[in-house]
Amino acid sequence: KAGVTQTPRYLIKTRGQQVTLSCSPISGHRSVSWYQQTPGQGLQFLFEYFSETQRNKGNFPGRFSGRQFSNSRSEMNVSTLELGDSALYLCASSLAGIKEAFFGQGTRLTVV
Amino acid sequence: QKEVEQDPGPLSVPEGAIVSLNCTYSNSAFQYFMWYRQYSRKGPELLMYTYSSGNKEDGRFTAQVDKSSKYISLFIRDSQPSDSATYLCAMSVFNAGGTSYGKLTFGQGTILTVHP
Repeated sequence: KAGVTQTPRYLIKTRGQQVTLSCSPISGHRSVSWYQQTPGQGLQFLFEYFSETQRNKGNFPGRFSGRQFSNSRSEMNVSTLELGDSALYLCASSLAGIKEAFFGQGTRLTVV
Repeated sequence: QKEVEQDPGPLSVPEGAIVSLNCTYSNSAFQYFMWYRQYSRKGPELLMYTYSSGNKEDGRFTAQVDKSSKYISLFIRDSQPSDSATYLCAMSVFNAGGTSYGKLTFGQGTILTVHP
């Protein structure tokens, strides 16, 4: 059974640009959550999508957005990048809730 | 104050030692408790999850939850160098519908090194 796939693995962007990250969940999983991981703040919840609807959102500015497609694949977008957005972005998939959430390898975003 | 507190370590132990990793939490609404292992440059890997007070064992790993004290632990028996990683505790709140809508609250992670 294939795991959670995130693309790309690494990204370097310039301040002010925007970026789109992609996540393909485990087959059959309908819930996709996104997290930001930094050395200072650890893992922080961004938002969760289920059946193409955002059900939950963390405390991040509106520059962070996402969407989910009918095949459960999800994308997150960060606009007007800031240096502080440099982080490992992780997505997690689960069947419907959060009993067992499985993470992808993450996308390492560096903003210069 | 963070909702979940975890000693970041680092923790260094000899091969074969019993390792104890701990987290405390302040939100009594947390109902599901998980432990993840994260190797460098990898995503977190789910080790164990539990929702009740008491112990749950899986091979060399035992997860322990004490809801009255708001304290959870992970014990690793016969630790191996391959166990060297960052260990993260995570918790979730379930609403009346039975789902926390994808939100896990994590501890800071404990860096563990098991040396031969």
